[in-house]
Amino acid sequence: AQRVTQPEKLLSVFKGAPVELKCNYSYSGSPELFWYVQYSRQRLQLLLRHISRESIKGFTADLNKGETSFHLKKPFAQEEDSAMYYCALSDSGGSNYKLTFGKGTLLTVNP
Amino acid sequence: DAGVIQSPRHEVTEMGQEVTLRCKPISGHDYLFWYRQTMMRGLELLIYFNNNVPIDDSGMPEDRFSAKMPNASFSTLKIQPSEPRDSAVYFCASSLNPGGNTEAFFGQGTRLTVV
Repeated sequence: AQRVTQPEKLLSVFKGAPVELKCNYSYSGSPELFWYVQYSRQRLQLLLRHISRESIKGFTADLNKGETSFHLKKPFAQEEDSAMYYCALSDSGGSNYKLTFGKGTLLTVNP
Repeated sequence: DAGVIQSPRHEVTEMGQEVTLRCKPISGHDYLFWYRQTMMRGLELLIYFNNNVPIDDSGMPEDRFSAKMPNASFSTLKIQPSEPRDSAVYFCASSLNPGGNTEAFFGQGTRLTVV
């Protein structure tokens, strides 16, 4: 079974401070990992995916298969980063595409 | 394309009534997902379809919940009878074929309140 764990429900940092949102997963197959973000009053949208190894809005995430983690990091948080962040997992090797989310972490960046 | 369209945006209903939520996926997308979002449980996958066929409905909480996809451009999630604990935001999402580069596009959600 696919499972995504985000241990922190709430995370509060000051502007300019580093931020790390934790994500751990359990899956026996070949997982694809994503981070989705939901800004206030907006729809959920993709932030980044591990396969692209990209940096979006200063955020990066590295897939660590040994630790089964996909933590989201940003060296200097901005107030506009305040949002709900969801880690998600899908099966890249199966014939069907089941996208499972963690419970989310609400990030607040204080001025 | 206007993206994934959900209706209604808000629904307030009395306990015991039937509720129908609607979703129009992005044209050409093969996959459609229904999620429920609550503070306690986060974003839960209820059911998903591939080419209009339900693939996994293990997340549907009870028999009171049912979902259909009669064609590629329309899906419904029905709750009958509704209960106060069903109050949540329900999201619909669609995506192309599976794979690491696939992005799920979400609708704006339907906020359901059962009183």
